[in-house]
Amino acid sequence: DAGVIQSPRHEVTEMGQEVTLRCKPISGHDYLFWYRQTMMRGLELLIYFNNNVPIDDSGMPEDRFSAKMPNASFSTLKIQPSEPRDSAVYFCASSLGKIAGGSTDTQYFGPGTRLTVL
Amino acid sequence: DAKTTQPNSMESNEEEPVHLPCNHSTISGTDYIHWYRQLPSQGPEYVIHGLTSNVNNRMASLAIAEDRKSSTLILHRATLRDAAVYYCILRQNYGGSQGNLIFGKGTKLSVKP
Repeated sequence: DAGVIQSPRHEVTEMGQEVTLRCKPISGHDYLFWYRQTMMRGLELLIYFNNNVPIDDSGMPEDRFSAKMPNASFSTLKIQPSEPRDSAVYFCASSLGKIAGGSTDTQYFGPGTRLTVL
Repeated sequence: DAKTTQPNSMESNEEEPVHLPCNHSTISGTDYIHWYRQLPSQGPEYVIHGLTSNVNNRMASLAIAEDRKSSTLILHRATLRDAAVYYCILRQNYGGSQGNLIFGKGTKLSVKP
């Protein structure tokens, strides 16, 4: 399997522009997670989906952020308008399930998208 | 959420064993102990997890104290490729469903040749 695929790997944009990050989870995985990593705040969960349905978006910073999962093999995280404080590495992860203690809840992370907002 | 405490950094020599400690004194009876690591410029990757008994896999061993208030990740022979930030995470068990991964600051492991 190719693992979790994210694009683009690097994005540089100007303040006020719309940014769209993309993720393709591992085939067959029912859960998809979006994380953000910064030096100040570390790794934070933004939102996660189960069977394409958003379950918990309590980590989404504000209304400028939105995430969608139109089908089982694709998700987007959109920032509109972008601000310099959104600069971070954004990771997508997927897992087979969420059953406590089993191996199905192991999360597999993509390589991340490094976003720089000037 | 129950918290974990890890040293900020540790050093090891190549081909020597490494013991990475984690304190979790407020762990509840159903919390699982998970370890992930993040290599430079990569996303985190799963290492190992356990509940009460010690666990071994091809990457590492996990030793869990009898009172479960601490655990130790053991890399039996460190290689340069093991240089990474290691995260110890408690995952709450909600009636069989696993809680979210909440990453702390982790331990940055340096491996010297």
